Amino acid sequence: QVQLVQSGAEVKKPGSSVKVSCKASGGTLTNYDINWVRQAPGQGLEWMGGIIGFFATPNYAQRFQGRVTITTDASTTTVHLEVSSLRSEDSAVYYCALVSSGTVFDFWGQGTLVTVSS
Amino acid sequence: SYVLTQPPSVSVAPGQTARLTCEGTNIGNTNVHWYQQRPGQAPVLVVYDDTHRPSGIPGRFSGSNSGNTATLTISRVEAGDEADYYCQMWHASSDYVFGTGTRVTVL
Repeated sequence: QVQLVQSGAEVKKPGSSVKVSCKASGGTLTNYDINWVRQAPGQGLEWMGGIIGFFATPNYAQRFQGRVTITTDASTTTVHLEVSSLRSEDSAVYYCALVSSGTVFDFWGQGTLVTVSS
Repeated sequence: SYVLTQPPSVSVAPGQTARLTCEGTNIGNTNVHWYQQRPGQAPVLVVYDDTHRPSGIPGRFSGSNSGNTATLTISRVEAGDEADYYCQMWHASSDYVFGTGTRVTVL
């Protein structure tokens, strides 16, 4: 069974960047998509982007184009999400989620709380 | 962009049936998935590809999808079913789309 373990909570200043990590273990990951979904306080789930196939190029939601970067570290089976030019509205819990087949998020990380505050 | 609309809240007595809807244009033409999210926890998949349950999910959870509405049905509702529920699909214009979410309250 695949497990996704994320890095710890972050507190950042407006205008700075944050990098959140998601380490995958169990199973063969090269055929999986790893995606990032965020949830602002009291709000719903929002897809940000993902890696289509563990070694392939990233795909971003239009509203995050240019401000979000998703990268992989194949040697550690880790996927990273970097969000730049942070603003208070980026305060949220960020989840990584795996798609093993089709279009369903089969497994989720535990979430990483990012707080943007001056 | 494609929009999936869910009622904000549904209240149901223990032992009764809760029906959660997810509305979108021609949603019946694609696969819909449902997630349960308890407070402070990550979402958990409860139904995938319209009608299928992952292992470990009780048979009380079932799904259907036709026309412009997908439905998650929770039979014999228990106190532990109290959570937020989100539908989700993939659409060519928006990639992955989540519904607005429904909070289920067990009376």
